[in-house]
Amino acid sequence: AQTVTQSQPEMSVQEAETVTLSCTYDTSESDYYLFWYKQPPSRQMILVIRQEAYKQQNATENRFSVNFQKAAKSFSLKISDSQLGDAAMYFCAYRSVDTGTASKLTFGTGTRLQVTL
Amino acid sequence: ETGVTQTPRHLVMGMTNKKSLKCEQHLGHNAMYWYKQSAKKPLELMFVYNFKEQTENNSVPSRFSPECPNSSHLFLHLHTLQPEDSALYLCASSLQRSSYEQYFGPGTRLTVT
Repeated sequence: AQTVTQSQPEMSVQEAETVTLSCTYDTSESDYYLFWYKQPPSRQMILVIRQEAYKQQNATENRFSVNFQKAAKSFSLKISDSQLGDAAMYFCAYRSVDTGTASKLTFGTGTRLQVTL
Repeated sequence: ETGVTQTPRHLVMGMTNKKSLKCEQHLGHNAMYWYKQSAKKPLELMFVYNFKEQTENNSVPSRFSPECPNSSHLFLHLHTLQPEDSALYLCASSLQRSSYEQYFGPGTRLTVT
């Protein structure tokens, strides 16, 4: 079974600065998908970024980018130019490649990000 | 109404009550999920429905009973719950193929007294 570990329960960053959230995972599969989700106080889980394991290029979405190290099974999220609206819980998630049925996400415990002025 | 909606947003119930949580998706997806989110624990997948058929039940106690009448609606029927069942219950939907992400609803905050 796959496991996802987020070792930082809480992180803090000043507005306009850069912060990196860590995520490691354990799997025996060679192909899979990795996600970062954001859950603000409104509780709605929102997809931030997605990475396909077969792609060597790190995914980027505006101020959000990942550092995907497949051999190390590491998938960190970098937030540049942090904004107050980035304050939320961030969850790392793993998903197996399609096996013909609706597939499931395995989540980490989350990292709470505070953004200070 | 767009995306994934859940009702009610908050629910307080006694251990002998029967209640239902509702989830509706307006995205044309064919898979729907129930998750339980407790403090300091990873989200726990409870049930998966694919084209209205239940494809996964992660050893969930029988006091939780899911129902999926069509691809757009998902219910979670609750009866004789325990205080430890208090949590945020999240519904999600997706297209079947794993390359597509899951879209989540805002959740129902359940308190069992």
